[in-house]
Amino acid sequence: GAVVSQHPSWVICKSGTSVKIECRSLDFQATTMFWYRQFPKQSLMLMATSNEGSKATYEQGVEKDKFLINHASLTLSTLTVTSAHPEDSSFYICSARALQRGRQTDTQYFGPGTRLTVL
Amino acid sequence: AQKITQTQPGMFVQEKEAVTLDCTYDTSDQSYGLFWYKQPSSGEMIFLIYQGSYDEQNATEGRYSLNFQKARKSANLVISASQLGDSAMYFCAMREGLIGSARQLTFGSGTQLTVLP
Repeated sequence: GAVVSQHPSWVICKSGTSVKIECRSLDFQATTMFWYRQFPKQSLMLMATSNEGSKATYEQGVEKDKFLINHASLTLSTLTVTSAHPEDSSFYICSARALQRGRQTDTQYFGPGTRLTVL
Repeated sequence: AQKITQTQPGMFVQEKEAVTLDCTYDTSDQSYGLFWYKQPSSGEMIFLIYQGSYDEQNATEGRYSLNFQKARKSANLVISASQLGDSAMYFCAMREGLIGSARQLTFGSGTQLTVLP
């Protein structure tokens, strides 16, 4: 159980285009999902916390107009990188915290990640 | 100050031997949770083990155990009987505050473990 999927697993796009990444919890509901960014050989940096039915909470330094987050249901959150540029190239990972008997558990389960390359 | 410190950027261990990956943390909260994740070269983050701040016994999950020393604020991961498939990056992480709060995880810088045949 506790499987999180991400789509696409990798994407290459031209500078200036927008890219949407989906994060789904397949076998559990998640009121809270998190989006991380990871550069090669570095740790995960939290970008934003996505709450179902409300606006995302962004970390300091993350442009909310550039990284649009929508958490429309208890099983789906999307991250859209708008007008992507080469410096946005990175590994993006989502995670979800499971609900158990209506309450949030403590463990976050991660998706497999999306590798974005902007040319 | 760093909330999670992993002082070993890289570690080597012989197959079938045990290895300890260090993690120290810094928090003023009484309630917190500590996690270890494994990230192989594919990039996926795999949850390994969890320790709550009020748990009196050290957590164990198969070959993984967490050496929790609250007074020293350390939460070292012990992998017994290392296997070649254990070669990966290992991250220690902390969630501050009560279980169920929407607090995010803070990650350490990671330790690259290489298991030698």
